[in-house]
Amino acid sequence: SQQGEEDPQALSIQEGENATMNCSYKTSINNLQWYRQNSGRGLVHLILIRSNEREKHSGRLRVTLDTSKKSSSLLITASRAADTASYFCATALTGGYQKVTFGTGTKLQVIP
Amino acid sequence: DSGVTQTPKHLITATGQRVTLRCSPRSGDLSVYWYQQSLDQGLQFLIQYYNGEERAKGNILERFSAQQFPDLHSELNLSSLELGDSALYFCASSVSQGMYEQYFGPGTRLTVT
Repeated sequence: SQQGEEDPQALSIQEGENATMNCSYKTSINNLQWYRQNSGRGLVHLILIRSNEREKHSGRLRVTLDTSKKSSSLLITASRAADTASYFCATALTGGYQKVTFGTGTKLQVIP
Repeated sequence: DSGVTQTPKHLITATGQRVTLRCSPRSGDLSVYWYQQSLDQGLQFLIQYYNGEERAKGNILERFSAQQFPDLHSELNLSSLELGDSALYFCASSVSQGMYEQYFGPGTRLTVT
């Protein structure tokens, strides 16, 4: 099964609204990344948060990490139609060579 | 444009056949990752190479193999193809091993008929 599980599976909002998606994982991690994928295209890195960080911002993106709950959230503020995409969290386990595991993804639709 | 190139873009072949997918990483990146994305399985990590050596293995079938060459390009070989192998295959690269930002190529869409 996947190390990361995103929730919700799909989300539909109006342009201008905020979008929040969550990622839960099972084992201890070194850090966590969020990626965006437009339909049928390669993933694009959005943000990386280390295990000793609790919150990180990048433009309209805000990521939080709660290692005690093994969860992370991605907030996109003031959404735009161009934000329509699938969003994935990726985790790398602690120790040894870090195998990166992607979650199942949240499909976001922003309606103009 | 991520700087990662993959060829071919599309591939249609029959069951039982063998194909080779090629990936050129971003200039300066030493790590290459291969992923398979299908509708029912999501994005599955297959294998990672770092500077020519295998570093991590995921859900890669025995019918699949990969290598990274001295010039750092990588090839993923898929043999005895089955209908269920139809998927998007992505290559990604990063500057080093470990949890660094990965740059994804545009993918190769494989259709097995």
